[in-house]
Amino acid sequence: DIQMTQSPSSLSASVGDRVTITCRASQDISDSLAWYQQKSEKAPKLLLSGSSRLESGVPSRFSGSGSGTEYSLTITSLQPEDFASYYCQQYFTIPLSFGGGTKVEI
Amino acid sequence: QVQLVQSGPEVKKPGASVKVSCKASGYTFSNHGISWVRQAPGQGLEWMGWITVNSGSSIYAQNFLGRVTLTADTSTSTVFLEMRSLTSDDTAIYYCARKPRTAAVFSDWGQGTLVTVSS
Repeated sequence: DIQMTQSPSSLSASVGDRVTITCRASQDISDSLAWYQQKSEKAPKLLLSGSSRLESGVPSRFSGSGSGTEYSLTITSLQPEDFASYYCQQYFTIPLSFGGGTKVEI
Repeated sequence: QVQLVQSGPEVKKPGASVKVSCKASGYTFSNHGISWVRQAPGQGLEWMGWITVNSGSSIYAQNFLGRVTLTADTSTSTVFLEMRSLTSDDTAIYYCARKPRTAAVFSDWGQGTLVTVSS
């Protein structure tokens, strides 16, 4: 099974900050990585897939990069509505697996 | 637009079973798989399994093998999650999510169903 390790588990930031979240896979997942945003008490929302492909309607301040086992999600100029938890997910192989999450707080 | 509407909250005793439904609309039901993901209170996301709706075949995460059954009713565009032998560790929000054709990601989600297991 592929283990996904996300860091940091939480971070404090301010509106306008640039934020980067990292996800490390226990083996090469060949860009089969997605990122989700979850606001409290709500279902997650798909932000990116294929490590860097932005889903329709997702603001361009969100971007993804990486390869092999190391991936990152960057939010440039953090907005008030971006304070949430973020999860990575590998879909290279079954079982599908998520990172532990990163909570972005003020 | 795509909608996945789940059944309401459940309270069960340890050892009992629960069946949660997920009714889909806004797309061709048989063209997309449905996954189930759960989230224990204050915890992260855990993939449970998925069902290929047009064939009825399912894949389960090891943690749930033998205890969870996914089924689909194409006549009502509804997918069901049945979980048996519940323990307090199964207390969680259970989400259904649509899998697009191109990748095993979760493009659309139900609103979640809270299952509480308590004596």
